Amino acid sequence: AQKITQTQPGMFVQEKEAVTLDCTYDTSDPSYGLFWYKQPSSGEMIFLIYQGSYDQQNATEGRYSLNFQKARKSANLVISASQLGDSAMYFCAMREGRGSTLGRLYFGRGTQLTVWP
Amino acid sequence: DAGVTQSPTHLIKTRGQQVTLRCSPKSGHDTVSWYQQALGQGPQFIFQYYEEEERQRGNFPDRFSGHQFPNYSSELNVNALLLGDSALYLCASSLAGPSLRYEQYFGPGTRLTVT
Repeated sequence: AQKITQTQPGMFVQEKEAVTLDCTYDTSDPSYGLFWYKQPSSGEMIFLIYQGSYDQQNATEGRYSLNFQKARKSANLVISASQLGDSAMYFCAMREGRGSTLGRLYFGRGTQLTVWP
Repeated sequence: DAGVTQSPTHLIKTRGQQVTLRCSPKSGHDTVSWYQQALGQGPQFIFQYYEEEERQRGNFPDRFSGHQFPNYSSELNVNALLLGDSALYLCASSLAGPSLRYEQYFGPGTRLTVT
């Protein structure tokens, strides 16, 4: 089974509008962390936001917020006031807590976001 | 403060050849992970090195091997290259510790093309 599922291959949003990118995850580990990364066409993965499984509040980082619904195992990324520079590929990833503290990341297939003027 | 660096940026090899990719972690980081990202896909975990040992490995054949040096830098070696090995190879560094919050910082990647 896929650990991370991103069901939106592509999303389009007008500049200054908000957009939600979907992510669902699958784990039996009660301790895990969820990450969102942005990958521009240059290829480098840029960390955006983190949510821990025990965090009581949804994470926020500037224009990025994470809509964390633990019971539904979803961790959707919300980008407010979209900018043209937000056009990129967005990946949801998970790190499980069991075992060592060196945990690998499991990535979804990504969502290509296009912001238009 | 230098981030994660990788070399070379691009590489073209022929089937059957061997290749070595290099990675220097972000200052202060002690763990290096390697990922393969095929076109249009998410990164797939190859392996992770900590204290100069391979600690975790993904579902990749033994043709993929690596090394970590005392200065925490790392190499990824791929033998007997196949066309399917064409991909962007990403190196990520992190700090080993008890918190899941320690995000992995990624380098710009090496684009490998096998012809």
